[in-house]
Amino acid sequence: GAVVSQHPSWVICKSGTSVKIECRSLDFQATTMFWYRQFPKKSLMLMATSNEGSKATYEQGVEKDKFLINHASLTLSTLTVTSAHPEDSSFYICSAGNNEQFFGPGTRLTVL
Amino acid sequence: GEDVEQSLFLSVREGDSSVINCTYTDSSSTYLYWYKQEPGAGLQLLTYIFSNMDMKQDQRLTVLLNKKDKHLSLRIADTQTGDSAIYFCAASGGGKLIFGQGTELSVKP
Repeated sequence: GAVVSQHPSWVICKSGTSVKIECRSLDFQATTMFWYRQFPKKSLMLMATSNEGSKATYEQGVEKDKFLINHASLTLSTLTVTSAHPEDSSFYICSAGNNEQFFGPGTRLTVL
Repeated sequence: GEDVEQSLFLSVREGDSSVINCTYTDSSSTYLYWYKQEPGAGLQLLTYIFSNMDMKQDQRLTVLLNKKDKHLSLRIADTQTGDSAIYFCAASGGGKLIFGQGTELSVKP
C-alpha cells in the first residue's frame, strides 16, 4: 500500500521557537495532503488542506499565520508551528491520497 | 456540516466478536472508512465501504452500512488482544474526512 512518512516523529522545543514538521508520500504523488491535530484520547481535528503549488485551505479557527503550510512538491508538505507555546503541544498527523487517505505515523510535539 | 458519532468504549473477551457502531449525518458521503490507531501511532486504514454498498467483508472484518439510518458498523470476528486499539470511523465530505471521536476497544484475555 501507499506509504506516508513524517519527520520528526517527536520533538521537544522551547516556548517561542518554531518547529517544522515534514510529511512525505514515499511511493505516490499527492496533489493534496491534509494536516490534523489530535489531543490525547480525542478525535482528529482537521487543521488544513495542503494543495501543491497553491495556498493551503485552513479550517475555521485555525490560525494560518501560526501554522504555516507549504506544499512545494507532489511528495512533500511541511507544517511549521511558529512561535510555539505549551498549548501547541499535541500529536500532529498528516495524510495523503485520493479516495483512500493514507496517514503518516504522526509527530509528537512538546513545547516547554 | 457532517457530524460523526461513536460510542467511546467497548470491552470484550478474547475470542468474542466486537461490534463498533457509528452514525453520521451527511447522506451524500461517498465513502465511509474505518481506521485503527494504536497508542502513539498514526492511523491505519482497516477498510472502507462505498455508499452504494450494504456490506463488505474482509477476513475477520465485516462492515455494514444502513444508508437510510446513516449507521455504519464494524464487526471484528474472533477478537484478539492485538485488536485492542482506538477505532475511528470517518465519512468523506467536501473532499475531506470527518472523524468520529473514536471507540476504545479493550480485549480481555
